[in-house]
Amino acid sequence: GAVVSQHPSWVICKSGTSVKIECRSLDFQATTMFWYRQFPKQSLMLMATSNEGSKATYEQGVEKDKFLINHASLTLSTLTVTSAHPEDSSFYICSAGRGGSLGYTFGSGTRLTVV
Amino acid sequence: EDKVVQSPLSLVVHEGDTVTLNCSYEVTNFRSLLWYKQEKKAPTFLFMLTSSGIEKKSGRLSSILDKKELFSILNITATQTGDSAIYLCAVEPYNNDMRFGAGTRLTVKP
Repeated sequence: GAVVSQHPSWVICKSGTSVKIECRSLDFQATTMFWYRQFPKQSLMLMATSNEGSKATYEQGVEKDKFLINHASLTLSTLTVTSAHPEDSSFYICSAGRGGSLGYTFGSGTRLTVV
Repeated sequence: EDKVVQSPLSLVVHEGDTVTLNCSYEVTNFRSLLWYKQEKKAPTFLFMLTSSGIEKKSGRLSSILDKKELFSILNITATQTGDSAIYLCAVEPYNNDMRFGAGTRLTVKP
């Protein structure tokens, strides 16, 4: 149980375009989903916390207009990188959970390359 | 301000060695502390700790939490090259805004 599907697993896009990444909890309802970004050889950086039906809470330094997060249902959250630039190239990972003793499950991640 | 500090940031050992990774935290309304192992892709969950003094064990890995001194340790005995990874510590307060440490990069040499 507790499977989180994230797609696409990789995407290449042109500079200036927007890319949408989906994170789905397949067999449970996720009241909270987290979006992370990983820079090469570094740990995960939490970008934002998304709760179903409310606005996402962004971490300091993360541009909310650039990284649009929508958590419209208990099983789906999306991250849209708007007007992507090469510096946005990174590995983005979501996690979803019910909290408490049930913990959180990570998606498999999306490798974004902006050319 | 909530924070999670892991040490060391990087560690190189040889197979068979025992390692101890540290995680200290300052958070309001602490609920749980979690350890993850991150290899090439998404981290994998290792342990969730909510109570002080109760050791959690899984094979060669074990972890314990001290809520009075606000830290946790992750022990790995008889290390293997497959243990090479970044080990993440995260703290979950009751408001669900998880805080991650910077991670400890462990390299196990043959």
